Amino acid sequence: EAGVTQFPSHSVIEKGQTVTLRCDPISGHDNLYWYRRVMGKEIKFLLHFVKESKQDESGMPNNRFLAERTGGTYSTLKVQPAELEDSGVYFCASSHQWRATSYNEQFFGPGTRLTVL
Amino acid sequence: LAKTTQPISMDSYEGQEVNITCSHNNIATNDYITWYQQFPSQGPRFIIQGYKTKVTNEVASLFIPADRKSSTLSLPRVSLSDTAVYYCLVGDAVNYGGSQGNLIFGKGTKLSVKP
Repeated sequence: EAGVTQFPSHSVIEKGQTVTLRCDPISGHDNLYWYRRVMGKEIKFLLHFVKESKQDESGMPNNRFLAERTGGTYSTLKVQPAELEDSGVYFCASSHQWRATSYNEQFFGPGTRLTVL
Repeated sequence: LAKTTQPISMDSYEGQEVNITCSHNNIATNDYITWYQQFPSQGPRFIIQGYKTKVTNEVASLFIPADRKSSTLSLPRVSLSDTAVYYCLVGDAVNYGGSQGNLIFGKGTKLSVKP
């Protein structure tokens, strides 16, 4: 079974440009999460989809970030316009639909390294 | 979610047993303790989870004392490939991966295994 995949693996853009990151979760996983780690900081939660609906977007830093998950399959995270402080590694994770009696392990992708110059 | 404290880094030699301790003084009754492992250029990967006493799987063991204010991840006979960052997370397991399942990572412990 394929794991969580992310594209691209690395993106270098200039300040003010737009970048779109893509995440393909494990097939059948309803939960999809975005996290990011900026230089020298901890991995921070951005948002959580359940199927195509945004369950929790409390971690989104500002309105320059837009996440979508049309059809409840893959997800995109767009940064527009990108700023220098957006540089970091963006991780996507997925898990099974919530089960109240068991631990729903999150499976992470390899991340997309974003560099804003 | 409870705050966790771990060593910033640890060094070990191949074949040794490595124990990484995590402090979580404010752990709540419903909280579980979960450890993730992250290799360079990869995303974090679930290792083990426990609530109390001892849990063992094919990768590691997790020791949790009765007061649950700390926990110890034990890696038996480490190899070079165990060099990674290890994260201790504490939270309500039911909500971890479910509808409120945003994981909160600390700085982790960077383990370096040398030949």
